[in-house]
Amino acid sequence: GEDVEQSLFLSVREGDSSVINCTYTDSSSTYLYWYKQEPGAGLQLLTYIFSNMDMKQDQRLTVLLNKKDKHLSLRIADTQTGDSAIYFCAEIVDSSYKLIFGSGTRLLVRP
Amino acid sequence: NAGVTQTPKFRVLKTGQSMTLLCAQDMNHEYMYWYRQDPGMGLRLIHYSVGEGTTAKGEVPDGYNVSRLKKQNFLLGLESAAPSQTSVYFCASSRASSGANVLTFGAGSRLTVL
Repeated sequence: GEDVEQSLFLSVREGDSSVINCTYTDSSSTYLYWYKQEPGAGLQLLTYIFSNMDMKQDQRLTVLLNKKDKHLSLRIADTQTGDSAIYFCAEIVDSSYKLIFGSGTRLLVRP
Repeated sequence: NAGVTQTPKFRVLKTGQSMTLLCAQDMNHEYMYWYRQDPGMGLRLIHYSVGEGTTAKGEVPDGYNVSRLKKQNFLLGLESAAPSQTSVYFCASSRASSGANVLTFGAGSRLTVL
């Protein structure tokens, strides 16, 4: 079945890079997503990657996908205090309307 | 453009009471979803709908019912609330597409069952 796993917590210093990792089990995943949730708010899409890509870059965000190991990562360069939030990895499997989310990684950025 | 609107934002219920959460979207999206968020467990899909008049079960449907009588609205009902249903509920919607299914989320509804 589908399962998405993430570490629960990450703390970094302001200005450093943050790397949030995610593993998934379904090899038929077509798209993988990163969503951000700020306190008291809903989830907002950060970026997504199609399964035939290895990397996607969008300003300070870099997504790396290793299909062989079923591993997805999100790198945030020059992390700012405003990046403090919960980050969710999600996958969608072929011919499905459903997104399966991980448990979320809480990122704390220290001044 | 309001996006996805959930009402109410907060509600406290006693065990056994019933209530309905309303989700409304103004983006003409075909797909709508209800998730619940619990600490350490991420978001779990309760029910979803791929079009007006259709609904389907997600990962954790027990104790909930849904209806999609109009394309823009997706209702989540609790017939007899239990403390285990204390959670934050999120509605989301997306456009039918052969590409990436990008969900737009509401701000959430926090439900406490005493």
